[in-house]
Amino acid sequence: NAGVTQTPKFQVLKTGQSMTLQCAQDMNHNSMYWYRQDPGMGLRLIYYSASEGTTDKGEVPNGYNVSRLNKREFSLRLESAAPSQTSVYFCASSALGLFSYNEQFFGPGTRLTVL
Amino acid sequence: KNQVEQSPQSLIILEGKNCTLQCNYTVSPFSNLRWYKQDTGRGPVSLTIMTFSENTKSNGRYTATLDADTKQSSLHITASQLSDSASYICVVSAKDSNYQLIWGAGTKLIIKP
Repeated sequence: NAGVTQTPKFQVLKTGQSMTLQCAQDMNHNSMYWYRQDPGMGLRLIYYSASEGTTDKGEVPNGYNVSRLNKREFSLRLESAAPSQTSVYFCASSALGLFSYNEQFFGPGTRLTVL
Repeated sequence: KNQVEQSPQSLIILEGKNCTLQCNYTVSPFSNLRWYKQDTGRGPVSLTIMTFSENTKSNGRYTATLDADTKQSSLHITASQLSDSASYICVVSAKDSNYQLIWGAGTKLIIKP
């Protein structure tokens, strides 16, 4: 089992460029999440998907879009990248959603720099 | 405002020594509290999850305590190893309409040989 995988591992963009971060999990989990982690701050939830076909905004959704392609895959898109979006992005999954007492499993992260 | 504060910000100890990391929260209503370990350049890995009725929970050399009355938690690491060098993050779940997780900024622990 690979767990949660993310691509790419590193990316440098220019302001205004777009890109999609890919995430896949092989644990048959229902729920998937996208977080960003900035220095000196806790992780912040961007979007989550409680189940296939549903997505909801988290704490910091502005400037991002998501797609739950199927049960395994959850992608995050930056339509017009800004320097404020320079961060480390983590994808996570859990068997049940935020309402439940269950742990989240994280991918290795994507380190994004926007110039 | 729901907040999670951790102390110290960073800590250096010698291999084999014990240490305790602190977490104070103002999250209400409280659902559960989690501790994660995050190695440099990796994603967080869950250590423990505790509800309000659980005072103590262990995972190997890691023991988490929770005092729901004072809204404090601690993570005690026994007989530290070099592999314990990492950031330790306290996360609290609020029992509100979103059940969002509120993440602390973490304590960076360095174990020296």
